[in-house]
Amino acid sequence: DSGVTQTPKHLITATGQRVTLRCSPRSGDLSVYWYQQSLDQGLQFLIQYYNGEERAKGNILERFSAQQFPDLHSELNLSSLELGDSALYFCASSVGSSSGNTIYFGEGSWLTVV
Amino acid sequence: QQQVKQSPQSLIVQKGGIPIINCAYENTAFDYFPWYQQFPGKGPALLIAIRPDVSEKKEGRFTISFNKSAKQFSLHIMDSQPGDSATYFCAASKEAAGNKLTFGGGTRVLVKP
Repeated sequence: DSGVTQTPKHLITATGQRVTLRCSPRSGDLSVYWYQQSLDQGLQFLIQYYNGEERAKGNILERFSAQQFPDLHSELNLSSLELGDSALYFCASSVGSSSGNTIYFGEGSWLTVV
Repeated sequence: QQQVKQSPQSLIVQKGGIPIINCAYENTAFDYFPWYQQFPGKGPALLIAIRPDVSEKKEGRFTISFNKSAKQFSLHIMDSQPGDSATYFCAASKEAAGNKLTFGGGTRVLVKP
């Protein structure tokens, strides 16, 4: 158990809908990351927050947004969902935000868009 | 743009064999190279990591070899066990990009009893 908690574990939704994925980082970790894992794209970095502020942005679609709250939990919002958004979404956390800080991954949220 | 290339995509070895997974990177600004292990239904977990100022690092049965001039690094699993059957990902990050990890495509390793 990495200590990173993600909910829900599975969800199925229709195209055009909006979903919110929730993440609680490990106790004491200030940095939260979101990654998307799919068969064709592999593990792709989406976005990073550090202590409530956006720290780095990757291949995140404009239909997607995220935030980190004062209690350090984070949410990833996915809107106008398309079939291609079906993937495993990981939240991860680390103590710091600099290169070399060990990143711990949650078990992921499986999103299926039908 | 695939900045970290990983090979092979899959590997089958007998118990006790030494699976070797190779990665090559393009960006010389990368300064941290971790390997992650992922079991089905689980998130990736850090296995071992290396900095470019070190040519080799061992942790238990896992060894990273690093060739800075060739911009390549590899993972060796010594005395492999069926429990090592998993997907392995190499990754890289650079200080200028915070702690963002760029992952290789992954290698599915199967260790037969």
